[in-house]
Amino acid sequence: DAKTTQPNSMESNEEEPVHLPCNHSTISGTDYIHWYRQLPSQGPEYVIHGLTSNVNNRMASLAIAEDRKSSTLILHRATLRDAAVYYCILTRNTPLVFGKGTRLSVIA
Amino acid sequence: DAGVTQSPTHLIKTRGQHVTLRCSPISGHKSVSWYQQVLGQGPQFIFQYYEKEERGRGNFPDRFSARQFPNYSSELNVNALLLGDSALYLCASSPLAHVGNSPLHFGNGTRLTVT
Repeated sequence: DAKTTQPNSMESNEEEPVHLPCNHSTISGTDYIHWYRQLPSQGPEYVIHGLTSNVNNRMASLAIAEDRKSSTLILHRATLRDAAVYYCILTRNTPLVFGKGTRLSVIA
Repeated sequence: DAGVTQSPTHLIKTRGQHVTLRCSPISGHKSVSWYQQVLGQGPQFIFQYYEKEERGRGNFPDRFSARQFPNYSSELNVNALLLGDSALYLCASSPLAHVGNSPLHFGNGTRLTVT
C-alpha cells in the first residue's frame, strides 16, 4: 500500500480555518484518498474521500493536488469538538492502513 | 439509523482466558472488518468478512478468529489471552467489499483489559 506522511501535531484557534496536509508521493492512479478522524474514547469517524477532484461535504473540504502527490483536509471553522487525531489513508481496497495521523489541538 | 454497535463496551479478562466480542453492522451493510488499536497507535487490521466469507486477514496469530452470521453481524474470538492483547477492538462496516469508493463506518469499540 502507498504510504502517507502527515505532521505529528497541529494547533489551531477556535473559529479559524485549519489546513491539514498529507503527502503521498507514491500514490497510484486507482488509490482513493480517505480522511478519518478519531475523537478521544471513540472509534474513527469518516470525514471525506476523493480520487482526483476536490470534494466538499458538510464536515470538511478535500483539496487534491493536480499531480495527486499531496492533499489537504480543510476544516472551515475549527471548533473545540474538532480536536482529534486526523488520519490520511490511501486505499483502493480494504483494509485501511492507519498511520499515526495528525493530532489537532483547538485553542479557545 | 443506528450506527455500528459493539458489545460489550468494556471487558476485563485474565491471561489464558478466551473472549468473544460482538458487532452489529449498519443495516444493509454486508462487510464487517475488525481492527485492534493499542494505546498511542493507529488501528491495525485484523479481519474482513463479506457475505459471510473471510476476505482478508491481517498479521495476527491464529489465536484470533472471527465469523460473520447470516444477518451480517460478526464475532471476534481471541483464545489464550496475553497481556499484549489489551487494546481497543474496533468493528467497522461498509456496504461493499472494496472500500475504495465506499467509506468504513466504525463503532466505538470494546476496551479489553487482560490482567
